[in-house]
Amino acid sequence: GAGVSQSPRYKVAKRGQDVALRCDPISGHVSLFWYQQALGQGPEFLTYFQNEAQLDKSGLPSDRFFAERPEGSVSTLKIQRTQQEDSAVYLCASSIDGNTEAFFGQGTRLTVV
Amino acid sequence: GESVGLHLPTLSVQEGDNSIINCAYSNSASDYFIWYKQESGKGPQFIIDIRSNMDKRQGQRVTVLLNKTVKHLSLQIAATQPGDSAVYFCAETNQGGKLIFGQGTELSVKP
Repeated sequence: GAGVSQSPRYKVAKRGQDVALRCDPISGHVSLFWYQQALGQGPEFLTYFQNEAQLDKSGLPSDRFFAERPEGSVSTLKIQRTQQEDSAVYLCASSIDGNTEAFFGQGTRLTVV
Repeated sequence: GESVGLHLPTLSVQEGDNSIINCAYSNSASDYFIWYKQESGKGPQFIIDIRSNMDKRQGQRVTVLLNKTVKHLSLQIAATQPGDSAVYFCAETNQGGKLIFGQGTELSVKP
């Protein structure tokens, strides 16, 4: 596609439910990032992939958060046993490499009730 | 620790005026800076970037200035238009990709 695509756009989960958020990066982009954005705040880094390798996961807030990119293209962010504090917009971005501009998707707005 | 912050949380300007949005960063090792525009319900949109070996970079109606001495970054928007209304974030990186964002400045353009 022409840009980074994320699905679903909106997700409502009951507390304790597991969710999976999908990111389709721009074709050919080596680097892929996940960010969490709380209302009124700037995006906070979660994790970073270069191809299929997860090079940095220092931003993942707990072991309930897991991300994968098994074939170096599509990535999935999984959150287990969701809590209310997980409610946020989850943004995915990709770049040709790690040293050029990153293009963001529209985000998935997760609401945990 | 590392941080990027903005001096002004909100900025209101008249249509046609120039806008200046400021940003301070604390990591002197950062070598790449980006300004993003984010409209409601959308992801951040790239506006302009600058590397640490430059002081100034111009785009269409936008200019980014980098002052490494005081670790300050600014975004200048010429002839601000209603379509420029959005939240603007500065971001820095020194690790080849992990962007650190500031809190954002909301720009409101009055017609």
